[in-house]
Amino acid sequence: QVQLVQSGAEVKKPGASVKVSCKASGYSFTNYNVNWVRQAPGQGLEWMGIINPSGAGTSHGQRFQGRVTMTRDTSTSTVYMELSSLRSEDTAVYYCARGRQGVSGPNFDCWGQGTLVSVSS
Amino acid sequence: DIVMTQSPLSLPVSPGEPASISCRSGQSLLRTNGYNYLHWYLQKPGQSPQLLIYLASKRASGVPDRFSGSGSGTDFTLKISRVEADDVGVYYCMQDLQTPYTFGQGTKLEIK
Repeated sequence: QVQLVQSGAEVKKPGASVKVSCKASGYSFTNYNVNWVRQAPGQGLEWMGIINPSGAGTSHGQRFQGRVTMTRDTSTSTVYMELSSLRSEDTAVYYCARGRQGVSGPNFDCWGQGTLVSVSS
Repeated sequence: DIVMTQSPLSLPVSPGEPASISCRSGQSLLRTNGYNYLHWYLQKPGQSPQLLIYLASKRASGVPDRFSGSGSGTDFTLKISRVEADDVGVYYCMQDLQTPYTFGQGTKLEIK
């Protein structure tokens, strides 16, 4: 079945970087974009960015400009999200979610289990 | 950025009763292809979000037909015909007409 499995929880100090992985299985990896969404404690959902595993093109929200890098490894069907210059406000659960195929399919139809990133001195 | 506004933010409902959540967008989510790029997700306590409705009115695979979505342009509604205990959680609408994709604030459904 379609599945996204993320890497484990991380604890980082302010100013450091974190790299979260998301391994896809059960579908053709290069046929679907992958999105990153985060959720601060007790808060709502915030879209961070999207990567096309086929051509590696990316797009991200302006508030993450210069701090987020999304990459992929087609040999392992894994996408990565790296966030740099971490601050306490980046403490959140980070999710990957499968994107849409074509213009009329479901979007975000499969989510990873989430990765808690804690930023504290 | 497209602002998404949900109401109500809290929704206490008795089992077996209907429930309705509204979502309004700051601009039309209707493309020339006829699709509205508005989706509904449910995040149950302690879980990842799950897709309920996509493109405003299409039920995702495995979603009970108690759930339905309607609306077009800037006004959308998620309806639950008969609420069950398993429906508790936070419901989010999201637009993906353009990046950055944006979510509503969430509506917390609880059982009375």
